[in-house]
Amino acid sequence: KAGVTQTPRYLIKTRGQQVTLSCSPISGHRSVSWYQQTPGQGLQFLFEYFSETQRNKGNFPGRFSGRQFSNSRSEMNVSTLELGDSALYLCASSLREHKTQYFGPGTRLLVL
Amino acid sequence: LAKTTQPISMDSYEGQEVNITCSHNNIATNDYITWYQQFPSQGPRFIIQGYKTKVTNEVASLFIPADRKSSTLSLPRVSLSDTAVYYCLVGEGYALNFGKGTSLLVTP
Repeated sequence: KAGVTQTPRYLIKTRGQQVTLSCSPISGHRSVSWYQQTPGQGLQFLFEYFSETQRNKGNFPGRFSGRQFSNSRSEMNVSTLELGDSALYLCASSLREHKTQYFGPGTRLLVL
Repeated sequence: LAKTTQPISMDSYEGQEVNITCSHNNIATNDYITWYQQFPSQGPRFIIQGYKTKVTNEVASLFIPADRKSSTLSLPRVSLSDTAVYYCLVGEGYALNFGKGTSLLVTP
């Protein structure tokens, strides 16, 4: 079975721009979660989607948003990028809500 | 969610067995214990999950005492490639907060 895939793997943007990251979960997995990882803050939860509905949301500003499609694929969007948004963005999928997560390789975002 | 406590860092030599202990005093009856491994700039990788006693797979063993208030991840004969951060989670393998994990450094 193919693992979680994320695109793009690397991205460079400038302050004020917006970015959309994509995640394809493991086949059959219906829950997708997003995390931001930085050296200082570690792995921080952004949000979780299940059946196209956001189920949980972390403590991030409204500039961070996401959605899930009927095929369980998910996208997250960050608007008005700030330098501090530079991070590794990780997507994880699980069969159902709150079950063991399997992570993708991440998207490395650099904001200049 | 049960809070976990694990060492910030550990050092080992190649070929040794490494045991990383995680404390989770307020683990709930339905909670499982899950360990992940993360290499730099990669997503965490699921290693092992257990509920009680001992679980073993091709990568590691997980020892859980009867009271389930702690667990020990055992990595047999570590190699340089086992240098990574190891996270202990309590719940159902799902977490909002991964904590800082244990940074394991394996040297020759």
